[in-house]
Amino acid sequence: QVQLQESGPGLVKPSETLSLTCSVSGYSIRSAYYWGWIRQPPGKGLEWIGCISGSGITYYNPSLKSRVTISVDTSKNQFSLKLSSVTAADTAVYYCARDSANPDYWGQGTLVTVSS
Amino acid sequence: DVVMTQSPLSLPVTLGQPASISCRSSQSLAHSDGNTYLNWFQQRPGQSPRRLIYKVSNRDSGVPDRFSGSGSGTDFTLKISRVEAEDVGVYYCMQGTHWPRTFGQGTKVEIK
Repeated sequence: QVQLQESGPGLVKPSETLSLTCSVSGYSIRSAYYWGWIRQPPGKGLEWIGCISGSGITYYNPSLKSRVTISVDTSKNQFSLKLSSVTAADTAVYYCARDSANPDYWGQGTLVTVSS
Repeated sequence: DVVMTQSPLSLPVTLGQPASISCRSSQSLAHSDGNTYLNWFQQRPGQSPRRLIYKVSNRDSGVPDRFSGSGSGTDFTLKISRVEAEDVGVYYCMQGTHWPRTFGQGTKVEIK
């Protein structure tokens, strides 16, 4: 059974960098698929952030591209998100998911609050 | 970016009655590989989104057959043949044909 689990700090200060990791079990990241990040501000809809392949090819949402970096560590079967210069508008539940075109498996999500 | 527009945004339904959600895209979602990457997700309160339908009309394993998807090009529909209490939540369409991937605003389904 494929499982994804997000981890990282739940509180980040304004202007700092948000860092999250998604650990994947039950499937090898290097096998196939793009692996992505999606976020959801409290009470609002879903926003696609970006994704990465097992070989490191990335696609980012242009609205966030200048601040986003997604990387992969196939040895740990993990991929990571970094979002720089955060503001309160970046407060959201962050999800990781498999397959950018047809996301099938999702993590449970982790709430990241941007506040001093 | 491809804009996904859902309607209605709020859908009060009576138990046992049908429900229908529309999703329209600003560009055709037909991919050059022959597929149309239109997904439907259900998000119950406090839970992660759950995929119900992929590539327009393919129902995921474990999804009740009262859920069905249809459409082509820029016009898509999710139908629930007979709404049950467990169907309460927010439903999102999402396109996976173009970069960046984009979601509809969500349709909140509630019981009257």
